[in-house]
Amino acid sequence: DQQVKQNSPSLSVQEGRISILNCDYTNSMFDYFLWYKKYPAEGPTFLISISSIKDKNEDGRFTVFLNKSAKHLSLHIVPSQPGDSAVYFCAASFNFGNEKLTFGTGTRLTIIP
Amino acid sequence: GAVVSQHPSWVICKSGTSVKIECRSLDFQATTMFWYRQFPKQSLMLMATSNEGSKATYEQGVEKDKFLINHASLTLSTLTVTSAHPEDSSFYICSAWDSRYPNQPQHFGDGTRLSIL
Repeated sequence: DQQVKQNSPSLSVQEGRISILNCDYTNSMFDYFLWYKKYPAEGPTFLISISSIKDKNEDGRFTVFLNKSAKHLSLHIVPSQPGDSAVYFCAASFNFGNEKLTFGTGTRLTIIP
Repeated sequence: GAVVSQHPSWVICKSGTSVKIECRSLDFQATTMFWYRQFPKQSLMLMATSNEGSKATYEQGVEKDKFLINHASLTLSTLTVTSAHPEDSSFYICSAWDSRYPNQPQHFGDGTRLSIL
């Protein structure tokens, strides 16, 4: 039972353009959502998070949007840079911090120079 | 900032042997650590929650007798894969949360690649 899904396994974007990664979830009890960037054979690196009481959070080039009614969130990266090429995972939890994470299936983002 | 360290980063061993993976919080104390597993091209799946001074909490479908977790101190949790078989080959990752910075999320180690021959 995959409670967090990323329906696009891969995405290619031209350098300088906007990258939009999508994530859907089924459990309405999730309270926090996070995005992680991951390279092979390394642990995930935290990018940005959002609480369920908000619909948008912005940090530099990264913006996360949350649509609770649709149980959908998205990560926008603008402008996209070659160093952004990696696998991106969304994750959800029932609380922030010391709480287990449920990860999505991941999207491989490739930025084309 | 807080750092989580895993050791070893890569281990290859014969089928039937037991392998111990360490997860350390280097500059903070963690009463709880989490162990995840990632198979190739798949998601990170939580295996168990490691609690300092008490038994670990395992997710459904994870054999507690096969994946032994010991959280003997506030900075160290170990995962022992007992009698490992090729199907246990995977990427194991731990995470921990630094309560000194409640607005920061969990920190992940760099993972351990386990290959069973």
